[in-house]
Amino acid sequence: GAVVSQHPSWVICKSGTSVKIECRSLDFQATTMFWYRQFPKQSLMLMATSNEGSKATYEQGVEKDKFLINHASLTLSTLTVTSAHPEDSSFYICSASDPRLVYNEQFFGPGTRLTVL
Amino acid sequence: DQQVKQNSPSLSVQEGRISILNCDYTNSMFDYFLWYKKYPAEGPTFLISISSIKDKNEDGRFTVFLNKSAKHLSLHIVPSQPGDSAVYFCAASEAGGTSYGKLTFGQGTILTVHP
Repeated sequence: GAVVSQHPSWVICKSGTSVKIECRSLDFQATTMFWYRQFPKQSLMLMATSNEGSKATYEQGVEKDKFLINHASLTLSTLTVTSAHPEDSSFYICSASDPRLVYNEQFFGPGTRLTVL
Repeated sequence: DQQVKQNSPSLSVQEGRISILNCDYTNSMFDYFLWYKKYPAEGPTFLISISSIKDKNEDGRFTVFLNKSAKHLSLHIVPSQPGDSAVYFCAASEAGGTSYGKLTFGQGTILTVHP
């Protein structure tokens, strides 16, 4: 299957700082990438849909100024958590949609654990 | 509004027996369904999928059944192995419109397979 990487795998930062998470599709070009957030023992919640070369589409309740998404190339999308606070601590997962597949299946990255102190 | 529901938070099965994981959905626009396996602190791994034009899809030990009239799908694992122990998520997507490609996930079911 297609390979998606995320970097970093974990990050600890101080409250008020910004953190950037990268998501890369390694062996295919992803026109669409998705960003999810997972709280402990809960489901994956879609935060936003990122299309290459255009603005991201945010889900209801997700602050676009707080979670900045950039999809500058067909293999890279970034999520920047600005002015992070402890409540932003979570597991962030990206996925990339493979346009070569009939149903554009999504392949997930390994996730990034963010801890804000 | 939980459009995809996995009502069993956990399931415990003996090695070699069948594991049956269930999933219900409410959105009649969903027409493609997927099962993912997830370990703690890792991203989900795609297992198997089914489109609404089928009622069964099989891949090795994994079979997914879809009952559109009941808006229900299930994942069967036969025979179950200890390495299958993980959290299993079902997910659904719509074919077109503004929601194309977006996945809606269930809450997950923790499967434990005992040796």
